[in-house]
Amino acid sequence: NAGVTQTPKFRVLKTGQSMTLLCAQDMNHEYMYWYRQDPGMGLRLIHYSVGEGTTAKGEVPDGYNVSRLKKQNFLLGLESAAPSQTSVYFCASSYTPIEGDTQYFGPGTRLTVL
Amino acid sequence: GENVEQHPSTLSVQEGDSAVIKCTYSDSASNYFPWYKQELGKRPQLIIDIRSNVGEKKDQRIAVTLNKTAKHFSLHITETQPEDSAVYFCAASNAGYSTLTFGKGTMLLVSP
Repeated sequence: NAGVTQTPKFRVLKTGQSMTLLCAQDMNHEYMYWYRQDPGMGLRLIHYSVGEGTTAKGEVPDGYNVSRLKKQNFLLGLESAAPSQTSVYFCASSYTPIEGDTQYFGPGTRLTVL
Repeated sequence: GENVEQHPSTLSVQEGDSAVIKCTYSDSASNYFPWYKQELGKRPQLIIDIRSNVGEKKDQRIAVTLNKTAKHFSLHITETQPEDSAVYFCAASNAGYSTLTFGKGTMLLVSP
């Protein structure tokens, strides 16, 4: 049981480049989330999904897109990276009828945009 | 939407002392309040949570209290140890909406 995993762990992009971050969970969780963490700002929700095929905007969605084609995977895309998107990105998942809504986090992806 | 304020932003204590971190929230419909601990370079991990039908919950050296009338909740760590040094985040949620709103975090430093 790997829990929540994220790929890649580190990435450096140039302004304008695109990339996709992959989150996978093997806990059969219904809900999945993407957060960004910046110094002094806590964890801010980018997008989330309450089930396969669904997505919704969080607090800071601009410049990002997401897809949840399979229940176990949640992808975060940056179409045209900007230096303001330099951050640590965390994926999380939650919810089974037994566990309730505790969120479990992945190890994070450190992204630098030059 | 929900707004969560967390204080203090940094807290330094001596080993063996108690530490208290306080959070306030704005949405009276919020009913789930977890606390996460994040060590340097690691992922946030749940340490304790409380739901609105209880006022206090304890787990060994940590406890959380909730005052729904005043819309604030607090984390209490007793007999602090150096390994308690980390950033602690509070969060609030209306479980019906499935999302958490986090405070900005408290860096706790426990000196030997």
